[in-house]
Amino acid sequence: AQSVTQLGSHVSVSEGALVLLRCNYSSSVPPYLFWYVQYPNQGLQLLLKYTSAATLVKGINGFEAEFKKSETSFHLTKPSAHMSDAAEYFCAVSGSGSARQLTFGSGTQLTVLP
Amino acid sequence: GAGVSQSPRYKVTKRGQDVTLRCDPISSHATLYWYQQALGQGPEFLTYFNYEAQPDKSGLPSDRFSAERPEGSISTLTIQRTEQRDSAMYRCASSLTSGTPAGEQFFGPGTRLTVL
Repeated sequence: AQSVTQLGSHVSVSEGALVLLRCNYSSSVPPYLFWYVQYPNQGLQLLLKYTSAATLVKGINGFEAEFKKSETSFHLTKPSAHMSDAAEYFCAVSGSGSARQLTFGSGTQLTVLP
Repeated sequence: GAGVSQSPRYKVTKRGQDVTLRCDPISSHATLYWYQQALGQGPEFLTYFNYEAQPDKSGLPSDRFSAERPEGSISTLTIQRTEQRDSAMYRCASSLTSGTPAGEQFFGPGTRLTVL
C-alpha cells in the first residue's frame, strides 16, 4: 500500500522568497509521484509528476521537485514566490493496482506575504 | 467537453435525504474516478469506472453510496439516507485510461455537500 505524508499544513513565505513544501512517501513498489495545486473554487491542477525518467522534475509556474529514493522524499520548490502562488498544494502517489487511483497527502496551504 | 464539470457545485440537504451528484468527464477519457475530500484533508478514493464498467468499489464507505456510468460518459454518485458525516467535497476526475500509472487525472471543481 502507498501513503504520502506532507509536513506542515500551513507554510508562509514572503514574496520573492524560496518556497519549500515537503512530501515523504511510502511505497512497496517504485512510486509515481505527483504534485497538484488547488486554487479556491477550482479543481485540482497538476503541477508536475515523477515517472522515473529523471529525478529532478520541472513543472508549471516555475515549480520543480526532486525525487530522492534514499530519503523517500519528493519535496516541491520554487526559487522565488509570487503572490499568485498562494493556494493549497497536495502531494500524491499513484496506486499499483488496476485503478491507479491517487493517494493524497493532507495538503499544505501556502500563504505568500507581501 | 473541454474540462471536467460537476453539478451541483453546492448541495445542502437534511439528514436522511438522498442526494445525487453528477460528473461530466472529458469526452475522450475512458476512466473516471470519484474522490471524497473532508475538510482539511486530501481527497480519498471512492470508486472508478473504465467506460461503463466499475471494477473497484473498495473505497465506498458504506452501502449507502453507489455510483453509475451507464453509457460510459456521464457518471452519478448517489448517497442514500445521508448522514452528517457524509458532509464533504466530492471530486470527480477523468483520465485517458487507467492503464498508465503516471497518467494524469483531470479534476472537476467538486460538489460541496453539507448534511444538516
